[in-house]
Amino acid sequence: AQTVTQSQPEMSVQEAETVTLSCTYDTSESDYYLFWYKQPPSRQMILVIRQEAYKQQNATENRFSVNFQKAAKSFSLKISDSQLGDAAMYFCAYRSVREVLTGGGNKLTFGTGTQLKVEL
Amino acid sequence: KAGVTQTPRYLIKTRGQQVTLSCSPISGHRSVSWYQQTPGQGLQFLFEYFSETQRNKGNFPGRFSGRQFSNSRSEMNVSTLELGDSALYLCASSWGTANTEAFFGQGTRLTVV
Repeated sequence: AQTVTQSQPEMSVQEAETVTLSCTYDTSESDYYLFWYKQPPSRQMILVIRQEAYKQQNATENRFSVNFQKAAKSFSLKISDSQLGDAAMYFCAYRSVREVLTGGGNKLTFGTGTQLKVEL
Repeated sequence: KAGVTQTPRYLIKTRGQQVTLSCSPISGHRSVSWYQQTPGQGLQFLFEYFSETQRNKGNFPGRFSGRQFSNSRSEMNVSTLELGDSALYLCASSWGTANTEAFFGQGTRLTVV
């Protein structure tokens, strides 16, 4: 079974600064997707960024980028130019391609989350 | 385009009762997944339905069940409620393939007293 670990329960960053959230995962599979989701106080999970394991290039979405190290099974999220609206709980998640292709569905396995605080 | 709608938003039930939660996915999405979120256990996968069939089930007791209708709307049911069932229940809809984004609803906050 796959596991996702987020070792930083809380992080703080000053507005306009850069912060990196860590995520490691454990899997024996070679094909999978990794995601970062944001959960603000409204509780609605919002997709921040997605990475396909077969792609060596790190994904970027505006101020958000990832550092994907497949051999190390590491998937960190970098937020540049942090804004007050970035304050939220951030979850790293894993999805198995094999599981989807074999009819087992497309469930997400989540880490325990990192609470990000943005300070003025 | 309407998002994922979960009803009700809040629910208070007594131990031993049963509860039904509803999720209306984004139009066209055939996959609906349910997750339980608690401070102690985090986000845990309950089950996923695709075209009215359960494709996967998490490690939850049989008191937790679900179904999906022909219009892709899904319901989950919890029977004989326990205090530990108090949680935020999140529903996610998607096209159902590995590379597609899962869109989440705002959740149903269930409190068991």
